[in-house]
Amino acid sequence: SQTIHQWPATLVQPVGSPLSLECTVEGTSNPNLYWYRQAAGRGLQLLFYSVGIGQISSEVPQNLSASRPQDRQFILSSKKLLLSDSGFYLCAWFRGTSGDEQYFGPGTRLTVT
Amino acid sequence: AQSVTQLGSHVSVSEGALVLLRCNYSSSVPPYLFWYVQYPNQGLQLLLKYTSAATLVKGINGFEAEFKKSETSFHLTKPSAHMSDAAEYFCAVRRYARGSTLGRLYFGRGTQLTVWP
Repeated sequence: SQTIHQWPATLVQPVGSPLSLECTVEGTSNPNLYWYRQAAGRGLQLLFYSVGIGQISSEVPQNLSASRPQDRQFILSSKKLLLSDSGFYLCAWFRGTSGDEQYFGPGTRLTVT
Repeated sequence: AQSVTQLGSHVSVSEGALVLLRCNYSSSVPPYLFWYVQYPNQGLQLLLKYTSAATLVKGINGFEAEFKKSETSFHLTKPSAHMSDAAEYFCAVRRYARGSTLGRLYFGRGTQLTVWP
């Protein structure tokens, strides 16, 4: 069965510091991968998605970036965090068939102080 | 354009009462529709999905949803609420961007369900 991991689970970082969040998927190959952010009162915001190694599409311009160095690894980064980057970050994967659902990871709670 | 609208950001029910969470979608083609549940500080878990088979879809934890094309609705219901149902619920629709073969989910803003003892 497929499993999706995210780490760290929680993170407290000062403004201006760098960020690296990691997501890995087990039990599947060539998944479509997604990064979402949940901020208070703003629902789920799609940040990035990737259909393959090195292929990243950005949905929202911001100071975040994403990379996909391996088939089942998706990384969310920032060089300098802003207060507004605080939120709950969710990684998800999707096999690619229309009727399939997305599977979500457990999330990372980021607090920028 | 909004793809999914969830009516009511907060819904409160008593334990044992009917749960009704509303979702309306906009789509020019037969949609794929999903309901997810999120417990505090956890990821989203699929409750059920509609993929054009049966219009009444049964999911986990006693939830079900009915696809009504004439009303463009996909409301989530449960006959009898349990304390453990307290969570946030998201409705989503899969849509495809023009020229893209990769569908993405568009989520509603979520409905927080509170269950009173």
